[in-house]
Amino acid sequence: GESVGLHLPTLSVQEGDNSIINCAYSNSASDYFIWYKQESGKGPQFIIDIRSNMDKRQGQRVTVLLNKTVKHLSLQIAATQPGDSAVYFCAEIPQYNTDKLIFGTGTRLQVFP
Amino acid sequence: NAGVTQTPKFQVLKTGQSMTLQCAQDMNHNSMYWYRQDPGMGLRLIYYSASEGTTDKGEVPNGYNVSRLNKREFSLRLESAAPSQTSVYFCASSDWLEETQYFGPGTRLLVL
Repeated sequence: GESVGLHLPTLSVQEGDNSIINCAYSNSASDYFIWYKQESGKGPQFIIDIRSNMDKRQGQRVTVLLNKTVKHLSLQIAATQPGDSAVYFCAEIPQYNTDKLIFGTGTRLQVFP
Repeated sequence: NAGVTQTPKFQVLKTGQSMTLQCAQDMNHNSMYWYRQDPGMGLRLIYYSASEGTTDKGEVPNGYNVSRLNKREFSLRLESAAPSQTSVYFCASSDWLEETQYFGPGTRLLVL
């Protein structure tokens, strides 16, 4: 089976509830942030991104919030569904080092019926 | 559009054997990347190619080589596989270095 993520922090939510996944990023010079979703046995899938000149960006059922003061990023999923169960990674691209997409270690989201 | 494709999906090697992981993208992207993913380590960049004809080392390049064959294809070669290279390998591509990266489905490699 899939061995990635055995030791990841886990968020368990009930179907229909809202989910909030948090990420602390490391570099105050980062100016571009991305959330990826990775289902078991698959590659990371782009969800939503945000530039550092924004505080909030909304997609379909997802919202990303950026707090540059405390270097914190969050992903909010509205009306969580079983298909949302996956590992979620935040990633940052430093302004001065654009070849590096720096990934967080991820959070596993488990959705219960 | 198939996006990013990788072959093979699974591979078992013995220590010392060599192999090449293939990656292709049909999105006309300029930049391509190879990552490895290990439990608790997240994704780590092995090599990348900013554009056709260029390659550069990432965070963990030792034991690997790459070839940017053309704009579409970027291969990763293990010349003498070691058990420490047991991992899941992902290829990704983006329009340019600063843009969103799109990932392939991965290659699961086991080195005995």
